[in-house]
Amino acid sequence: EAGVAQSPRYKIIEKRQSVAFWCNPISGHATLYWYQQILGQGPKLLIQFQNNGVVDDSQLPKDRFSAERLKGVDSTLKIQPAKLEDSAVYLCASSSRDVRGNTEAFFGQGTRLTVV
Amino acid sequence: AQSVTQLDSHVSVSEGTPVLLRCNYSSSYSPSLFWYVQHPNKGLQLLLKYTSAATLVKGINGFEAEFKKSETSFHLTKPSAHMSDAAEYFCVVSPLAQFYFGTGTSLTVIP
Repeated sequence: EAGVAQSPRYKIIEKRQSVAFWCNPISGHATLYWYQQILGQGPKLLIQFQNNGVVDDSQLPKDRFSAERLKGVDSTLKIQPAKLEDSAVYLCASSSRDVRGNTEAFFGQGTRLTVV
Repeated sequence: AQSVTQLDSHVSVSEGTPVLLRCNYSSSYSPSLFWYVQHPNKGLQLLLKYTSAATLVKGINGFEAEFKKSETSFHLTKPSAHMSDAAEYFCVVSPLAQFYFGTGTSLTVIP
């Protein structure tokens, strides 16, 4: 089965510019997550979607970050305007429940953002 | 509330010796627990998962972990380290389809 697809793999922008990341989850996975992984730290959840609805966006800096999953499939994460501290790897993941009700997350390769 | 504590930020072992990466968790629910590995410039790869079945979980590449509810621990072990095991390891607790990561343990394998 195809994995979680993300693009671009790398992006370098100047502070105050805007940037967008794209994610296509595994087919049939209803839940989609965006994580931010700052160098030397564990991934931190930014937002979680169930189909096209937001389940949790409590850690999303809403003054500059936005995300959407309009058709309940692929998703876009945007930063506008970017700050230096946004330099990180942005990971997308998707999950589904198995027959026992257990959930496992599958991660994409991530987008490495450098803000200069 | 959910949290994960990885007790060692760095672990160094000699090739062929045992590996122990320690993880403690707290959760308001009976969670699933995972270990993921991340090699440099690569994505996160699932090593193993505990989902309330057997408490001793076997994963890929010879890794295993034991769920100890009384100690709220989920330590990762491997009998004999290989050079290719050098990577960052993350313990993850998952209550209710959310995934909370520890801060990671960097494993160095010395030839």
